[in-house]
Amino acid sequence: DADVTQTPRNRITKTGKRIMLECSQTKGHDRMYWYRQDPGLGLRLIYYSFDVKDINKGEISDGYSVSRQAQAKFSLSLESAIPNQTALYFCATSDPGQGGSNEQFFGPGTRLTVL
Amino acid sequence: AQSVTQLGSHVSVSEGALVLLRCNYSSSVPPYLFWYVQYPNQGLQLLLKYTSAATLVKGINGFEAEFKKSETSFHLTKPSAHMSDAAEYFCAVSVNQAGTALIFGKGTTLSVSS
Repeated sequence: DADVTQTPRNRITKTGKRIMLECSQTKGHDRMYWYRQDPGLGLRLIYYSFDVKDINKGEISDGYSVSRQAQAKFSLSLESAIPNQTALYFCATSDPGQGGSNEQFFGPGTRLTVL
Repeated sequence: AQSVTQLGSHVSVSEGALVLLRCNYSSSVPPYLFWYVQYPNQGLQLLLKYTSAATLVKGINGFEAEFKKSETSFHLTKPSAHMSDAAEYFCAVSVNQAGTALIFGKGTTLSVSS
């Protein structure tokens, strides 16, 4: 079974709709992240959470919100989706205790299309 | 601030040829460096990482990278390309375990022709 799972894997929605992307992990890591990937831009950080009570904005948080429901669950919401939020979204986890490098483990991604 | 620059958004090689994907970083403190690979329609998979233990790092699938502090580089190489190596490759930097997240380069797409 995958250590980091994301649902849904693909989603098509319309402008103005609220949508939630979910991430679950069985790695037991405290740290979780949401990134978006756009062609030619690499991955950019949206939000990150170091534990259930610690949530922080990343580089491109405008238009997004998150919820850390438990150590294992971290959800990303688009309150009112717009077309330029069409992208591939990745959830990741890390455990800084593993050598201190902050190596991250990624989910399979959610492809979101906003029409 | 930390940053990563990947030179060349697209690299094409023939099967059996040397693969060289370039990555330069900027960091005011000793960094941790990573190469991730993304195969079509898949997530990111760690190829290798530099954590200051050794400057030449060997990873999966025959890839390796050398950390050169004087050149602020961490180039990825493979002696002989295989068709299955066709993918997108990302270099990333993290300054320490307290760092907020990884900072990624924009990626290099590797194409391998027969």
